Amino acid sequence: DAGVTQSPTHLIKTRGQHVTLRCSPISGHKSVSWYQQVLGQGPQFIFQYYEKEERGRGNFPDRFSARQFPNYSSELNVNALLLGDSALYLCASSLAGATDTQYFGPGTRLTVL
Amino acid sequence: GESVGLHLPTLSVQEGDNSIINCAYSNSASDYFIWYKQESGKGPQFIIDIRSNMDKRQGQRVTVLLNKTVKHLSLQIAATQPGDSAVYFCAENIRGGYQKVTFGIGTKLQVIP
Repeated sequence: DAGVTQSPTHLIKTRGQHVTLRCSPISGHKSVSWYQQVLGQGPQFIFQYYEKEERGRGNFPDRFSARQFPNYSSELNVNALLLGDSALYLCASSLAGATDTQYFGPGTRLTVL
Repeated sequence: GESVGLHLPTLSVQEGDNSIINCAYSNSASDYFIWYKQESGKGPQFIIDIRSNMDKRQGQRVTVLLNKTVKHLSLQIAATQPGDSAVYFCAENIRGGYQKVTFGIGTKLQVIP
């Protein structure tokens, strides 16, 4: 069975640009969460989506937005990129419940120049 | 703010020895705690979790201990192998109706052959 998939694998952008990252959850999983992992640190929670609705948001500016589609895949959008947005962006999927195990994808490495 | 943290950033152990990775947390409202393993270039991989109403849980070669009195948890790896070399994160799921998993900064486990 396929795990969580993310695209693209790597991405290079310049300051001020916007970026869209994509995530496909494990088949049957209805919840998708996004995390930002800066080099040398643990992942930081950005969003959780369940059944196309935002369930939770971390301490990130409004430049970060996301959505979930009817097939449960998800997109993370970041506008007006800053150098500090350079990080590994991780997507995790789970069945649904608040304490269901989250399974992570390999991440998208974003570099902002 | 409240967060999950780790005592030791790097832990070196001899192959075949047991490893113990410690973690302190400060949020008493957490529902459960999770240990993840992250290898270089990959997303975090679920190892084991424990709910707040438990003190101990065992998996294959791993045991997690939870001491709610001192807000401490640990991950014990038996007969450590070279493939166990990775960064280990403890994380907590904060009660709130959604999965806002908060990660610590991680401990790097180095297995010496």
